[in-house]
Amino acid sequence: NAGVTQTPKFRVLKTGQSMTLLCAQDMNHEYMYWYRQDPGMGLRLIHYSVGEGTTAKGEVPDGYNVSRLKKQNFLLGLESAAPSQTSVYFCASTEDRNYGYTFGSGTRLTVV
Amino acid sequence: GNSVTQMEGPVTLSEEAFLTINCTYTATGYPSLFWYVQYPGEGLQLLLKATKADDKGSNKGFEATYRKETTSFHLEKGSVQVSDSAVYFCAPLRYRGGSNYKLTFGKGTLLTVNP
Repeated sequence: NAGVTQTPKFRVLKTGQSMTLLCAQDMNHEYMYWYRQDPGMGLRLIHYSVGEGTTAKGEVPDGYNVSRLKKQNFLLGLESAAPSQTSVYFCASTEDRNYGYTFGSGTRLTVV
Repeated sequence: GNSVTQMEGPVTLSEEAFLTINCTYTATGYPSLFWYVQYPGEGLQLLLKATKADDKGSNKGFEATYRKETTSFHLEKGSVQVSDSAVYFCAPLRYRGGSNYKLTFGKGTLLTVNP
């Protein structure tokens, strides 16, 4: 089925380790987003991209990097994981912001 | 700026009860407005939307009307079902010129519907 696929679904990291979360969409959407969801905080935007080769910072970008080398993929990297980055991460994409976003099913990350 | 205030939960209802989840926003422009729903263990799904004043969005028996004069977009359903148990997010989208849009999510309202 068409949509947004996130890998992995679960991950446990030790403090200081690095990892990359992958988001892939097969809808040819221009715009892609990474959010984190924490209890009582709603969703907060980490980084976003308005097209292949572009990235921009959101509300909470510190400690994260992103890349959009291919239109269908948006990678979120943690260079040195910290316990404060324990969260559920969601990727989303859209062709037109006024139509709404399509979300992936999330990656639950625990940093110990 | 753009911020959203959403009714705090949790909300617990019996099946077939009437549901209202309040949402108000502040915006320097006039945003498009969305409600998203998150079922347990899943990502967010678009529930309904309205893109201009007085528009009514509707889907799966849920409705919300874009009220510019009160800057509100309250979610309603006349008769909830157990399967409606989920977290609901209000999200205004503001256009800030060029390719710059800002979508802000409320903190979410947990709805539990009991049989």
